[in-house]
Amino acid sequence: IAGITQAPTSQILAAGRRMTLRCTQDMRHNAMYWYRQDLGLGLRLIHYSNTAGTTGKGEVPDGYSVSRANTDDFPLTLASAVPSQTSVYFCASSEGSRDTGELFFGEGSRLTVL
Amino acid sequence: GQNIDQPTEMTATEGAIVQINCTYQTSGFNGLFWYQQHAGEAPTFLSYNVLDGLEEKGRFSSFLSRSKGYSYLLLKELQMKDSASYLCAVRDSNYQLIWGAGTKLIIKP
Repeated sequence: IAGITQAPTSQILAAGRRMTLRCTQDMRHNAMYWYRQDLGLGLRLIHYSNTAGTTGKGEVPDGYSVSRANTDDFPLTLASAVPSQTSVYFCASSEGSRDTGELFFGEGSRLTVL
Repeated sequence: GQNIDQPTEMTATEGAIVQINCTYQTSGFNGLFWYQQHAGEAPTFLSYNVLDGLEEKGRFSSFLSRSKGYSYLLLKELQMKDSASYLCAVRDSNYQLIWGAGTKLIIKP
């Protein structure tokens, strides 16, 4: 079934540890995104990639890094996790960044930093 | 700054009609989106408006007025499965999506 796969679905992490959230899509979409969702706030963009080999910073990039070595994969890394990074993280993709822009979301990764 | 406003929570009765409003102030406008998100799940696309007017898709309709910075999502013949959060998002001049905090819709029998 075509779509976006995120892993892990849930993780508890000690502060200061490094963590990589994985995201893979099989729709051959050019654009990919990482959002965090916190209670009472809208989805906030962390990083994005308009095409393989390029990345950009979103609204809340500090403490996070991404890479886009190929079309399908877009991992998000927390170099040294802090409690404020406790959140639900969604990876999303779209065919392009300037078309109708419908985003397809993964099922989310719930991260708790203690 | 950029801002999307929508009510935090609404309650409606099964079989009825509900209108969820969204007002926005953004730097530029390149389309408005509505997404549905059931608790614990990912958002899923409902509608896209880029021109003024009403877009109808089955039981759901979405309206846009660019001059007023206003949109609404209209849900007809409400079903229990419509209980979810509804997210309004606007694509700004940089083609980035600005998201509202979402409206939690509670459907009562």
